[in-house]
Amino acid sequence: KAGVTQTPRYLIKTRGQQVTLSCSPISGHRSVSWYQQTPGQGLQFLFEYFSETQRNKGNFPGRFSGRQFSNSRSEMNVSTLELGDSALYLCASSLVPGGGYEQYFGPGTRLTVT
Amino acid sequence: QKEVEQNSGPLSVPEGAIASLNCTYSDRGSQSFFWYRQYSGKSPELIMSIYSNGDKEDGRFTAQLNKASQYVSLLIRDSQPSDSATYLCAVTMEGSNYKLTFGKGTLLTVNP
Repeated sequence: KAGVTQTPRYLIKTRGQQVTLSCSPISGHRSVSWYQQTPGQGLQFLFEYFSETQRNKGNFPGRFSGRQFSNSRSEMNVSTLELGDSALYLCASSLVPGGGYEQYFGPGTRLTVT
Repeated sequence: QKEVEQNSGPLSVPEGAIASLNCTYSDRGSQSFFWYRQYSGKSPELIMSIYSNGDKEDGRFTAQLNKASQYVSLLIRDSQPSDSATYLCAVTMEGSNYKLTFGKGTLLTVNP
């Protein structure tokens, strides 16, 4: 069974631009969570989607948004990029929603904002 | 307030030894606990999950959970150089609507 896939793997953007990242979960998994990982803050939860609905949200500004499609694929968008948005963005899929179940991570998208 | 705390390390052990990684959490209502391994430049990989008090063994790995003391640990027996990585503890916290909260990880180095 294929794992979680994320595209693109690397991105370089300029301050003020926006970016869209994509995540395809493991086949049969309907829950997708997004995380930001930085050396200083570690892994931080962004949001979780299940059945095309956002179920949970972390403490990030409204510039960070996401959505999920009927095939469970998910996208996240960051608008008006700031230098501090440079990070590894990870998505994780799970059979059922809620952080209480095993989540499997994709390879991540490395975003660099200059 | 630190929600999930881990010693950042580095923790250095000789090959063949037992590596012991510890994690404490603040939310007494936490129900689910996970250990992830992350190699440098890679994404986290789930290695253990534990939901009830006691020990859970999987190969060379043993997870231990003590909800009364609010700690969870991971033991790695017969440590190998390939075990050198950052180990992340993750806890589902009732107080945060059951989102998964990660510690900052412990860097483990296994010396040949």
